[in-house]
Amino acid sequence: EAQVTQNPRYLITVTGKKLTVTCSQNMNHEYMSWYRQDPGLGLRQIYYSMNVEVTDKGDVPEGYKVSRKEKRNFPLILESPSPNQTSLYFCASSLIPLAGGRYNEQFFGPGTRLTVL
Amino acid sequence: EDQVTQSPEALRLQEGESSSLNCSYTVSGLRGLFWYRQDPGKGPEFLFTLYSAGEEKEKERLKATLTKKESFLHITAPKPEDSATYLCAVKRAGAQKLVFGQGTRLTINP
Repeated sequence: EAQVTQNPRYLITVTGKKLTVTCSQNMNHEYMSWYRQDPGLGLRQIYYSMNVEVTDKGDVPEGYKVSRKEKRNFPLILESPSPNQTSLYFCASSLIPLAGGRYNEQFFGPGTRLTVL
Repeated sequence: EDQVTQSPEALRLQEGESSSLNCSYTVSGLRGLFWYRQDPGKGPEFLFTLYSAGEEKEKERLKATLTKKESFLHITAPKPEDSATYLCAVKRAGAQKLVFGQGTRLTINP
């Protein structure tokens, strides 16, 4: 089954304790992205990756790191989490744009609910 | 700056009562307008992509349409299982991200 998986699904941690949220896709997609979803603010992009070893900042990258060493995996790293990073996080993937500029739909993972105390 | 505004924020309908959700957008060089459905505690599920004004797409009780300034998601004779938050997003030329609206929370009462 084609899917994007995330782990863990729920995480409660304390300020300053480094954590990693994993994301994996089995669709051979080049493009992967991380979003956070907050009430009243909608979905906002944190980082994205166009392919292996190619990553770039989205709209809200502060406090986050990512890496893309394999095509299927795109982990999100919080080196020193703070309470304002309490949020619902989604990983997404898609094929890169087709010739002519048409953009393929992104497939989303099930989400990771993170609470930082 | 790209902007997406969805209305209404919330909509409550009776089963079988048709209606429309609105997505107004401002984007330079639209490369796609996307509709997603999101159930509570789950990731957005892709519904439609529209690329150019005048385009329409249908799936079961849902029909999406696109003009140069807005998109509508028409829902015909909805059922309780259509209850969800519906998200609209746009992708512009040269950008590597989707810009999402706040969503419309749709509730269908039996």
